[in-house]
Order: sequence, then C-alpha cells, then structure tokens
Amino acid sequence: DVKVTQSSRYLVKRTGEKVFLECVQDMDHENMFWYRQDPGLGLRLIYFSYDVKMKEKGDIPEGYSVSREKKERFSLILESASTNQTSMYLCASTASGRASYGYTFGSGTRLTVV
Amino acid sequence: QKEVEQDPGPLSVPEGAIVSLNCTYSNSAFQYFMWYRQYSRKGPELLMYTYSSGNKEDGRFTAQVDKSSKYISLFIRDSQPSDSATYLCAMSEGYGNNRLAFGKGNQVVVIP
Repeated sequence: DVKVTQSSRYLVKRTGEKVFLECVQDMDHENMFWYRQDPGLGLRLIYFSYDVKMKEKGDIPEGYSVSREKKERFSLILESASTNQTSMYLCASTASGRASYGYTFGSGTRLTVV
Repeated sequence: QKEVEQDPGPLSVPEGAIVSLNCTYSNSAFQYFMWYRQYSRKGPELLMYTYSSGNKEDGRFTAQVDKSSKYISLFIRDSQPSDSATYLCAMSEGYGNNRLAFGKGNQVVVIP
C-alpha cells in the first residue's frame, strides 16, 4: 500500500523555536506538497517541490522554508515558530503529470506553538 | 471570487438519509474533479475521481459534474455513522499542471 508518512502526529513547541516537520513517501513521486489546514480556511499551500532540490512558493510561504535533498523526503521548517503557526500540517505527493488523479496525503501533524 | 467554493456546513443528517454535497468553481479549464474524505485528526483520502462532465457511481457514492454550470456534486445514499467526516472537493486543469484547487471542506455528521 502506497504511503506518505509524517514523522510526528502531535508536536508542542515554544515560541521562537526552530521546528522541523518531516515527510517521507515510498511511491517514487516527483511532486511533494506542504499544506496547512485551519478551521474555516481549508487547505492552504505553503510550498511544493517538483524535483530534488527544487522548490516553489505556494500561497502562504511566509515564515516557512523547505528542504528536499532526496526524492522521497520533503521537510518543512519553521525558522522561528510563532503562535499563529499553530495548525494541522499535511504533506502530500503525486507523480509527475498525475496530479489530475489526485494527491496522496499523510496523516498530518498537529502543531501547537505555545 | 475564490477559484473553488464549498459551503463548509456542518451538515447533520439522520442515518439512512441521502447526503448531498456540492462545489462551484470559476476556472473553466478544470477537467478533473475529485472528492476527498477526511476523518477527524486524519489526512484526506481520495474517495471519488471523475473526468469532464457526467456521473460516476461507486457503491453508495455518486459523483456528478456539470461543466456547463461549473458545478460538481457528491451524493451519499443510505448514509451511515461511519460516513461522518469532512468532505473536500478538488479539481485540476490537467495537462501537466500539478496543482489541485481545493474547496474548504464540508463537515457531515450522520446521526444514528
């Protein structure tokens, strides 16, 4: 069964901490995405990557960065966590040219910044 | 105007009722249409996928696309408490465009 695995289900971090969210997929997908999901706002795209070492800003990249050193792994970095970054973070992937058939999502990481 | 509009609900129905969900969109280039189901504290999972206009049925689920009206629907027949979830619509232009446009999601509660 194909999988997107997010390293943590729940995280609690302090304001100002550097936070790393990890995502690994085993489907050899080229495209990987990071979203945050908030009540009433839906899914909002933070960053995406279409190849190793490539990245593109999504709709809300401010306060975030990403790293993709290997095809299967896409990391989201909060350089200095703030309380307004408390959210559900979802990683997704799809093969190149196959987005029309949908993404595969991870189970999500619920991040609380205190 | 947002690219995809979806009434967030919540929608409460008694067990056995028909659930009707819909999304409207503004981009006439969308050709591929999806519905995702998301249980509480989980990631979305692909439920239904359709291409262009028409209907698609899978068990108790039916997806409809009306491209002329820019309107898609999901129907759940004989709803069960296990159908309680948030349902998100998503759509794509295809042709190598790797981004999906999502609706905000509609929370459904099926009451036993």
